[in-house]
Amino acid sequence: ELKVEQNPLFLSMQEGKNYTIYCNYSTTSDRLYWYRQDPGKSLESLFVLLSNGAVKQEGRLMASLDTKARLSTLHITAAVHDLSATYFCAVPTGNQFYFGTGTSLTVIP
Amino acid sequence: EAGVTQSPTHLIKTRGQQATLRCSPISGHTSVYWYQQALGLGLQFLLWYDEGEERNRGNFPPRFSGRQFPNYSSELNVNALELEDSALYLCASSKTGNPAGELFFGEGSRLTVL
Repeated sequence: ELKVEQNPLFLSMQEGKNYTIYCNYSTTSDRLYWYRQDPGKSLESLFVLLSNGAVKQEGRLMASLDTKARLSTLHITAAVHDLSATYFCAVPTGNQFYFGTGTSLTVIP
Repeated sequence: EAGVTQSPTHLIKTRGQQATLRCSPISGHTSVYWYQQALGLGLQFLLWYDEGEERNRGNFPPRFSGRQFPNYSSELNVNALELEDSALYLCASSKTGNPAGELFFGEGSRLTVL
């Protein structure tokens, strides 16, 4: 079974700081997705990474994919409180999507 | 364009009862996925339907079942409810049966088992 590991699981950071969330997966996949979930809410699609070397940016978030290393990163620049949420990476392979464990991000004023 | 819709939003049942959750995918999407998310935990894959057929099933007991209708909407049934079935049940749809297609999620149905 495919394993998708995220780290850290919990992240508390001050406003204005930068940080990176890592997503490692255990088998070959040429694409990866990032989702955001606010407490008690559903998942919202953030990024779709469709090839090796893909980089996408939206506001203070930037995601990248290295399919050879089986690694994706979600970089947060100059964090603001509104970014507080849980972030999931998801890897499609075979006949299902595998979701990472999630990273719970809290941005402190 | 309407997104993925789920009903009911909240459902309270007692142990041993049955629960039925419903999902309508985005128009034009043929695949429906069901996930269970217990409080504070990640997403556990339950079921995947495409073109009316069950394509894959997660590691859940047989009392979790479902179906997909000709209009691609889907139903998740949970029989003989147990306390640990309390969770947010998320439905997602995608455009094709290719599992690599992006998933779009509904708002979820929160099931509480007392």
